[in-house]
Amino acid sequence: AQKITQTQPGMFVQEKEAVTLDCTYDTSDPSYGLFWYKQPSSGEMIFLIYQGSYDQQNATEGRYSLNFQKARKSANLVISASQLGDSAMYFCAAHNNAGNMLTFGGGTRLMVKP
Amino acid sequence: DVKVTQSSRYLVKRTGEKVFLECVQDMDHENMFWYRQDPGLGLRLIYFSYDVKMKEKGDIPEGYSVSREKKERFSLILESASTNQTSMYLCASSLVAGGTLGSTDTQYFGPGTRLTVL
Repeated sequence: AQKITQTQPGMFVQEKEAVTLDCTYDTSDPSYGLFWYKQPSSGEMIFLIYQGSYDQQNATEGRYSLNFQKARKSANLVISASQLGDSAMYFCAAHNNAGNMLTFGGGTRLMVKP
Repeated sequence: DVKVTQSSRYLVKRTGEKVFLECVQDMDHENMFWYRQDPGLGLRLIYFSYDVKMKEKGDIPEGYSVSREKKERFSLILESASTNQTSMYLCASSLVAGGTLGSTDTQYFGPGTRLTVL
C-alpha cells in the first residue's frame, strides 16, 4: 500500500515569491508515478505536473516544477513567482505499479498575499 | 481538452433515498473513478472501472455501488443514503488501463458534486 504525506496543512506566500509545498511518499512498488493537483475553491481538481520514478530529470510545467529526490522519497512542488490565482488546495498523489489507482495526500492550503 | 462532467454540482437528499450520481467523459478514456473528499481525509477512492461493465472496489466501497454500461459514462449509486455519506464526490477518468506507467495515466477530474443527506 502507498502512503502520501503532506505535512503543511496551510501556507502563506507573498505574491511574486516562490513557494515549496512538501510531499513525501512511501511505496514498495518498483515503479510509480507522482502527481500534483490544484483544487481552487470551485472544487475542480486540476492536474499540474507529473513525475515518473525513472525519469532522470525533474519535471517542469511553466511556473511549476517538481523537486524529486528519490532516495528521500520526496516530491516537492515548487511554484515560482506566485500569483493571487495560485491560492488553492494542493494535493500530491501517487499511482501504483498497475497505474490504475491514485493515493492522495491530505493536501496543503496555499494562500497568496498581495 | 479532456472534459469530465458531473450531473449536479449540488444535491440534497433525505436519509433512505436512492441517489444516482452521473459522470460523463468525452475523451474515450478507459478508466473511470469515483472519489469522495472530506475535510482532513483528502480524497478516498470508492470504486473504479477499467472497461465497460467492469468495476473494482477502492478503499471505501461500503454503502455504494457503480454502473458502467457505456464507456463514456460511470454512475455512482447510493442505494439508501445516510447522513455519513454527506460529502463532495469527484469523478475522474484516465486514458490507459495500466501497463507501462507514464503521464498518460493522469486522471482528469470533473467539477464535483456536493451531496448533503438530511
